[in-house]
Amino acid sequence: DAMVIQNPRYQVTQFGKPVTLSCSQTLNHNVMYWYQQKSSQAPKLLFHYYDKDFNNEADTPDNFQSRRPNTSFCFLDIRSPGLGDAAMYLCATSRGLTTDTQYFGPGTRLTVL
Amino acid sequence: GESVGLHLPTLSVQEGDNSIINCAYSNSASDYFIWYKQESGKGPQFIIDIRSNMDKRQGQRVTVLLNKTVKHLSLQIAATQPGDSAVYFCADFYNQGGKLIFGQGTELSVKP
Repeated sequence: DAMVIQNPRYQVTQFGKPVTLSCSQTLNHNVMYWYQQKSSQAPKLLFHYYDKDFNNEADTPDNFQSRRPNTSFCFLDIRSPGLGDAAMYLCATSRGLTTDTQYFGPGTRLTVL
Repeated sequence: GESVGLHLPTLSVQEGDNSIINCAYSNSASDYFIWYKQESGKGPQFIIDIRSNMDKRQGQRVTVLLNKTVKHLSLQIAATQPGDSAVYFCADFYNQGGKLIFGQGTELSVKP
């Protein structure tokens, strides 16, 4: 049974056209993360929510935003996608911010035309 | 560890052999380490973890070794199977800021 669900699995958008990626979880975890992963690279943390508290990484571009309307859902908004934003976007959850295991979703592959 | 470069190290093993995947980390203050397996087109999957007060931990067919003196972590997979083919990432937990720092990743290929 899926615990971290991402939709859609594949997303194609046009250069500059806003896009929203979705993540939901059935684990009732407090923390939800968004990572960007480019080909042959490790996941790179963009930001996370601890409950409703948002924590942005210092090097995350302003083009990337996130919303968490409730415990179960978290969204990644890319306001004006560029060609360099084509990547796999991974959502993860954990119970807390300490050494709790992070559980990843299957990812959304974003293509920018 | 810190992710650098665009070319993943690769390891090719024969089915049934043991595999050893290595990882170096840079933050001497890290106290929690995790190995993730990522199959093509999927998200990372937790394999095993170890805390800094241990130097060895065993799971099903997997063993993680931690050498804090040289800041080195290894993952040993016994009797490697074709289903083990994937990219393996080590990650260490950076307590200030509460985030994982992923290493570069190693691509394991299992030959039948």
